[in-house]
Amino acid sequence: NAGVTQTPKFQVLKTGQSMTLQCAQDMNHNSMYWYRQDPGMGLRLIYYSASEGTTDKGEVPNGYNVSRLNKREFSLRLESAAPSQTSVYFCASVAGPYYNEQFFGPGTRLTVL
Amino acid sequence: AQSVTQPDIHITVSEGASLELRCNYSYGATPYLFWYVQSPGQGLQLLLKYFSGDTLVQGIKGFEAEFKRSQSSFNLRKPSVHWSDAAEYFCAVRREYGNKLVFGAGTILRVKS
Repeated sequence: NAGVTQTPKFQVLKTGQSMTLQCAQDMNHNSMYWYRQDPGMGLRLIYYSASEGTTDKGEVPNGYNVSRLNKREFSLRLESAAPSQTSVYFCASVAGPYYNEQFFGPGTRLTVL
Repeated sequence: AQSVTQPDIHITVSEGASLELRCNYSYGATPYLFWYVQSPGQGLQLLLKYFSGDTLVQGIKGFEAEFKRSQSSFNLRKPSVHWSDAAEYFCAVRREYGNKLVFGAGTILRVKS
């Protein structure tokens, strides 16, 4: 049981480049989340997917898109990266609406130059 | 809207000393509260959670937290800190609608020998 996995671990982009962050979970969880972590701001929700086939915006969705590819996978796309998107990105999952513990992946550290 | 405040950005304690990390929340009903720990370069790990019932909850690694409704607080404690406890600690509350978490800004714990 790998839990929540994320790729890549590190990435450096130039302004305007695009990339997709991958997340997968093997716990058969229904809900998945993307957060960004910035110093002094805790974790802020970018997008989430309550169940396969649905996605919704979180607190800070601008500049991002997501795809819930199947129950296991939830990807985050930056279409045109900006320096303000330099951050650590975490994916998380939870079993369903009546459960509360979110399980987190190890994170992707992204730098946009 | 729900919010979480962690008043202390950094705390330094001596190894073997007791620890208390503060967390205050804003929430209308009985909250679902969490403490997570993040070791350097790692994802977040759940330390403990409070949903209802006994206001003193025990978690992993010897941590405990006490829910005080009158003070809107959920402070994390440990009687004797170990050097391996050096990490960043996040308090979180579950949003009233939907299975989403709101995080505090985090408290960085340093342990001096």
